[in-house]
Amino acid sequence: YVLTQPPSVSVAPGESARIPCGGNNIGDKSVHWYRQKSGQAPVLVIYYDSDRPSRIPERFSGSNSGNTATLTISRVEAGDEADYYCQVWDNTNNHYVFGAGTKVTVL
Amino acid sequence: VQLVESGGGLVQPGRSLRLSCAASGFIFGDYAMHWVRQAPGKGLEWVSGISWSSGSVGYADSVKGRFTISRDNAENSLHLQMNSLTTDDMALYFCVKDAGYISTWFASSGMDVWGQGTTVIVSS
Repeated sequence: YVLTQPPSVSVAPGESARIPCGGNNIGDKSVHWYRQKSGQAPVLVIYYDSDRPSRIPERFSGSNSGNTATLTISRVEAGDEADYYCQVWDNTNNHYVFGAGTKVTVL
Repeated sequence: VQLVESGGGLVQPGRSLRLSCAASGFIFGDYAMHWVRQAPGKGLEWVSGISWSSGSVGYADSVKGRFTISRDNAENSLHLQMNSLTTDDMALYFCVKDAGYISTWFASSGMDVWGQGTTVIVSS
């Protein structure tokens, strides 16, 4: 199972960043999203498509339908610059799959 | 809540290494655990997972038959025995807690706590 993410997304401060994660019928799977800032460990920002851990700001939201899951960061701040990875459970091959990651740059 | 990895280092191709992870701040025995690695400049790759009770384990195809995951709930520790290492195994290895309570290693609820990682370098 392959997850496809764009290598990079650029966004101006205060605007919204939308990060797609493509996969065959990904809407039938549960998608988790992670943020990894430079030199740091990943952090879970969205789980089960659209749920948010308590410590993650409401500006982070997720959706999943058809062949695309999307992480949306509203009112982007400089501190949101990071690599973002989507993840699913591949129940055909019994392993986890990560997307290749999307680097978000705040202009 | 904290995970601290150890055991990484420089090893020759074909040799073995054992990684460990010390957990604190939560009831370790109630959660599945995973190892995830990241090669230099690359993305994340799931390596292995183990259920809360050690009753079930899973491996990525790239390490199956060479790596063995284990845990000691009494000692709050997770381990990864890595044999027959190759240069493809060179990476930063993260110890990761599953978010699901009394969880299996598969169909995760998300991976909600990550250690800082331990680096494995495979070189002659």
